[in-house]
Amino acid sequence: AQSVTQPDIHITVSEGASLELRCNYSYGATPYLFWYVQSPGQGLQLLLKYFSGDTLVQGIKGFEAEFKRSQSSFNLRKPSVHWSDAAEYFCAVRRGSQGNLIFGKGTKLSVKP
Amino acid sequence: IAGITQAPTSQILAAGRRMTLRCTQDMRHNAMYWYRQDLGLGLRLIHYSNTAGTTGKGEVPDGYSVSRANTDDFPLTLASAVPSQTSVYFCASSVAPTATDTQYFGPGTRLTVL
Repeated sequence: AQSVTQPDIHITVSEGASLELRCNYSYGATPYLFWYVQSPGQGLQLLLKYFSGDTLVQGIKGFEAEFKRSQSSFNLRKPSVHWSDAAEYFCAVRRGSQGNLIFGKGTKLSVKP
Repeated sequence: IAGITQAPTSQILAAGRRMTLRCTQDMRHNAMYWYRQDLGLGLRLIHYSNTAGTTGKGEVPDGYSVSRANTDDFPLTLASAVPSQTSVYFCASSVAPTATDTQYFGPGTRLTVL
């Protein structure tokens, strides 16, 4: 069965510092991978997605993610974090046939001034 | 363009009561989904609909039912609410139920069952 693991429940970084949020997936075939962000009290917004091709994917708000098949990972990165990036981040994998999203448990990001 | 609207925004409900959470999208998307979000568990799929007139069960369907009479609306019903159904419920939609289609999420309904 497919699964998504986000090892870090909560991460705190200083504003201006770089960020990497980890995501590992378990899926037999080529996965369809997504990162979503949820601001407090809000719904989820898509940051970026990977289906095929270039393994480094650019998203909105200055985020990028790199797909590494050998490590079954799809880590999210940002070179310089802004206070407005404080939110919860969810990695998700999608099954090819039905399109149902399987979410990780999320990583909460706090940003120190 | 409103996207996806959900109602109510929040609700406190007595156990045993019936409750319908409403979801409407104006994007003419074929596929719609209901998820519940619980602390430490992420989002889990309750039910989905690939197109109007069809529905399917997700990961945690017990205690919930859905209908899809038209393209725009996808209500979620709790026939007899229990405290374990206390959660935040998100409706989502996508153009098609395929792996490459982005799912767009509504703002959520916070439900408390006492």
